[in-house]
Amino acid sequence: DQQVKQNSPSLSVQEGRISILNCDYTNSMFDYFLWYKKYPAEGPTFLISISSIKDKNEDGRFTVFLNKSAKHLSLHIVPSQPGDSAVYFCAASEGPSGTYKYIFGTGTRLKVLA
Amino acid sequence: NAGVTQTPKFQVLKTGQSMTLQCAQDMNHEYMSWYRQDPGMGLRLIHYSVGAGITDQGEVPNGYNVSRSTTEDFPLRLLSAAPSQTSVYFCASRTSWTGYQETQYFGPGTRLLVL
Repeated sequence: DQQVKQNSPSLSVQEGRISILNCDYTNSMFDYFLWYKKYPAEGPTFLISISSIKDKNEDGRFTVFLNKSAKHLSLHIVPSQPGDSAVYFCAASEGPSGTYKYIFGTGTRLKVLA
Repeated sequence: NAGVTQTPKFQVLKTGQSMTLQCAQDMNHEYMSWYRQDPGMGLRLIHYSVGAGITDQGEVPNGYNVSRSTTEDFPLRLLSAAPSQTSVYFCASRTSWTGYQETQYFGPGTRLLVL
């Protein structure tokens, strides 16, 4: 049973436009959400996170939105750049009692076209 | 700081062979984890440890064994390799809970092929 779902395996966006990556979850106990970025032949690297007490968190070109009632989060990248081409994973955790257990989604491959 | 290191980078095994994937971190992190990445399956947690001497199972523990005798090292053992264990394996480490601040770092991965 997939608790964290990324239903779009791939996404292509023109350089300079907005990229929107989506993630849905089923476990209402999740209260911390993260996005990781992964380039080929490298380990994932942390991008941005949000706790359940917020509905938005920004870091430069990256913004994560959380809709708790819909159990949905999204990552917005504006403007998209060719260097953003990578696989993006969302992950969720139950907070202090489960911080060592991140559940990851299946990933979305983003391709930014120059 | 080297961060999280993994060896080997690539390994080919025959069905039934055993081997150990090494993971080490030099950040004095309490928590360490092993994940496997398969096409269409994302990153799945195999085993994790919250400190030296303490380990627990993740989502897909069968066929794997771990131990944590030191803070720095967290080896993953394949007891009898099967083709279904062909995957890319990532080790990760992080600090204990410090509020909603992400501190997890991943190693570069070990690509394993079981024939």
